[in-house]
Amino acid sequence: AQSVTQLGSHVSVSEGALVLLRCNYSSSVPPYLFWYVQYPNQGLQLLLKYTSAATLVKGINGFEAEFKKSETSFHLTKPSAHMSDAAEYFCAVSDLETSYDKVIFGPGTSLSVIP
Amino acid sequence: DAGVIQSPRHEVTEMGQEVTLRCKPISGHNSLFWYRQTMMRGLELLIYFNNNVPIDDSGMPEDRFSAKMPNASFSTLKIQPSEPRDSAVYFCASSQPGRINQPQHFGDGTRLSIL
Repeated sequence: AQSVTQLGSHVSVSEGALVLLRCNYSSSVPPYLFWYVQYPNQGLQLLLKYTSAATLVKGINGFEAEFKKSETSFHLTKPSAHMSDAAEYFCAVSDLETSYDKVIFGPGTSLSVIP
Repeated sequence: DAGVIQSPRHEVTEMGQEVTLRCKPISGHNSLFWYRQTMMRGLELLIYFNNNVPIDDSGMPEDRFSAKMPNASFSTLKIQPSEPRDSAVYFCASSQPGRINQPQHFGDGTRLSIL
């Protein structure tokens, strides 16, 4: 069965520092991967998605993620953190074994940005 | 462009009362998902509809929970009778038909408190 793990339920970075949020997946077939962001009192919003066209995927707000098949990883990065990046981040994988448009979400990583 | 619309945004009610949560998906989206989010359990998929038909309701906690989608533009999640442990944020999401890499679009959720 497919699954997603996110290392670190909480990450703190200083404003201007590199943001690195880790995601590892388990899938028996080439996966479709997503990163979502959730701001307080809002629903999840798509940051970016990997669909096999390119291993480095650029998303909104300066975020990007790199698909590494050998490491079964899809880590999210941003070169310079901004206060507005403080939010909950979810990695997700398409559940190809159950339904073609259902996804499995990771447990989430809460990002804090310290001024 | 209207997103997924959920109502009410907040609901406070007493244990034993019936609660109805409503969702209007994005026009043209044929997949609809109901999620529950809590601190303890994270984001849980409750039920998934495709073309108004329930495909996977394995996440529905118990018989007190029911969901319907009478047409392509409306869905309800009902809890009867409600219990304090049902307190959570409930999200509705929809996605476009077709390929497996379609992202889900979330509403802003209903924050439910059962006293």
